[in-house]
Amino acid sequence: ILNVEQSPQSLHVQEGDSTNFTCSFPSSNFYALHWYRWETAKSPEALFVMTLNGDEKKKGRISATLNTKEGYSYLYIKGSQPEDSATYLCASDSGNTPLVFGKGTRLSVIA
Amino acid sequence: DAGVTQSPTHLIKTRGQQVTLRCSPKSGHDTVSWYQQALGQGPQFIFQYYEEEERQRGNFPDRFSGHQFPNYSSELNVNALLLGDSALYLCASSLGAEGNQPQHFGDGTRLSIL
Repeated sequence: ILNVEQSPQSLHVQEGDSTNFTCSFPSSNFYALHWYRWETAKSPEALFVMTLNGDEKKKGRISATLNTKEGYSYLYIKGSQPEDSATYLCASDSGNTPLVFGKGTRLSVIA
Repeated sequence: DAGVTQSPTHLIKTRGQQVTLRCSPKSGHDTVSWYQQALGQGPQFIFQYYEEEERQRGNFPDRFSGHQFPNYSSELNVNALLLGDSALYLCASSLGAEGNQPQHFGDGTRLSIL
């Protein structure tokens, strides 16, 4: 994998459903993996910065896991709420090179 | 505690013109990065400024230039504007230029080229 890829591109879920999406990144020269939440008409907000293989981070109903050997990270949202509707971006960090962002997953939570 | 602020919010220019976008970093941050987000794409890195010098640069032509001032604020200049420069320009600040630092983003400047 040369680029950062996110899937799915968009997702519609019902309120209360749990959901997850994927970020794939180059596993070579890995330093950190960033997740951001970007709500419409607002600025991207940092969710997690993950560095260790097998790491799992949690913030409220949102959690993320990291596999640096195979180059992927999952973001999970438990019991989705309408306020979770946003674009979720991940970015690969090689330490001394710029962040490389994926195109994002657009999540819509339907009440 | 002021976050990252960008100005202007929106801007309309015509082809061939020049534009300057401004960014004030989050209080306490010393590093500013600029990104271009075109429709349907993720943010693309333009360049990063640290200690008033361009530290890193992405794959953007020389028409894109920048500056960082002693108070850590920054400007992005684009000359000879093209239609393809229409995009959302995001500024992000962080503490230190090393990796592993979360970026704090501004709301962006929406640039439209006619």
